[in-house]
Amino acid sequence: QLVESGGGLVQPGGSLRLSCAASGFIVSKTYMSWVRQAPGKGLEWVSVIYADGNTYYADSVKGRFTISRDNSKNTLYLQLNSVRAEDTALYYCAEMGQSAMQVWGQGTTVTVSS
Amino acid sequence: QTVVTQEPSFSVSPGGTVTLTCGLSSGSVSNGHFPSWYQQTPGQPPRTLIYSTTARSSGVPDRFSGSILGNKAALTITGAQADDESDYYCVLYMGSGIYVFGSGTKVTVL
Repeated sequence: QLVESGGGLVQPGGSLRLSCAASGFIVSKTYMSWVRQAPGKGLEWVSVIYADGNTYYADSVKGRFTISRDNSKNTLYLQLNSVRAEDTALYYCAEMGQSAMQVWGQGTTVTVSS
Repeated sequence: QTVVTQEPSFSVSPGGTVTLTCGLSSGSVSNGHFPSWYQQTPGQPPRTLIYSTTARSSGVPDRFSGSILGNKAALTITGAQADDESDYYCVLYMGSGIYVFGSGTKVTVL
């Protein structure tokens, strides 16, 4: 099970940290992604962190967002910095397997507005 | 920048068959892209249907099947039911840790 939290209203240029608490599996032993969906739009892959700690990002967020995990809390994070209006979306975390999103959370909403 | 292409919409009759495709703006889709497919209904998170081109996720009915058709990945729904009316998305692994979603196909059952 995956439970996201940390979403909310943030001003353009501001920061926010999203969390994804995992249960039933060990975050550090698998790879996990963040996926977002802007209102009325399709799904967009954002970032992945592999078991070895390697991280990758979509061009749209590279240099602004940081994916990480806390093994002691079995939790995945997404740090959002320098946010823009186009970052407004529902953010899902997903457990990956065989290069696919296998298990999804319910999502947490980020709204960027002044 | 590579774009993953999907048909915007499809309509299928109850009991009918529909095949959705997932292509690349440049090049062909292969098993090496590990195509996966997701179903999403309004207000719900996505549900994983197919991964690694043909593997069906746990609990997914066998009326959903995945394949490579020509130079695209494909999702076929055989014997469509009313509750198959959803948005369907594909994902391709582009290498170097990068994944790309298609723009999605809205399937209407009527």
